[in-house]
Amino acid sequence: QKEVEQNSGPLSVPEGAIASLNCTYSDRGSQSFFWYRQYSGKSPELIMFIYSNGDKEDGRFTAQLNKASQYVSLLIRDSQPSDSATYLCAVIMNSGNTPLVFGKGTRLSVIA
Amino acid sequence: DVKVTQSSRYLVKRTGEKVFLECVQDMDHENMFWYRQDPGLGLRLIYFSYDVKMKEKGDIPEGYSVSREKKERFSLILESASTNQTSMYLCASEDNDNEQFFGPGTRLTVL
Repeated sequence: QKEVEQNSGPLSVPEGAIASLNCTYSDRGSQSFFWYRQYSGKSPELIMFIYSNGDKEDGRFTAQLNKASQYVSLLIRDSQPSDSATYLCAVIMNSGNTPLVFGKGTRLSVIA
Repeated sequence: DVKVTQSSRYLVKRTGEKVFLECVQDMDHENMFWYRQDPGLGLRLIYFSYDVKMKEKGDIPEGYSVSREKKERFSLILESASTNQTSMYLCASEDNDNEQFFGPGTRLTVL
């Protein structure tokens, strides 16, 4: 069973703090990792992707990948109330032509 | 910008009706997907297609079928709608980097 696991939350952080969202996956051969953000009542939208071990930064967002431990995380620095949303982790399992596997998402609430 | 459109934002149908949900993308993507999203269950893949006339079952295909007659259009069909198919249905189109672009969703209620 190919699985992507996330803590459902809610994760509550004060405005200006760092929010840390975590995701683990079952398939050691997974190659591509994505973070989507979904506001309430809206569709998911891609915010970051990462393919290699280590960190990838984009503005206030940093994705971290550790393939040996099979986890990927998303850090949001200087969290804003507008970051309040559900964050979905998605993984391409193996390197074949298989569809994205999504986690159930972590709900983040940034308190002003 | 990639645009994915879905035929309806809200739909109310009766048990036993045949329901068509249509999805159109304008970026010439090969890959298209249908998901349903329910509270606590996340996104669940119903069917996907990697080319015209091609379809593959996802994780929960029972009670659904699909049609991909043209590259830009991917239709989801509920042959005989049931109350347990009340859900938010999301269509997505995928580029060559596996980035998925979602439509606005159709909230289907089956009475």
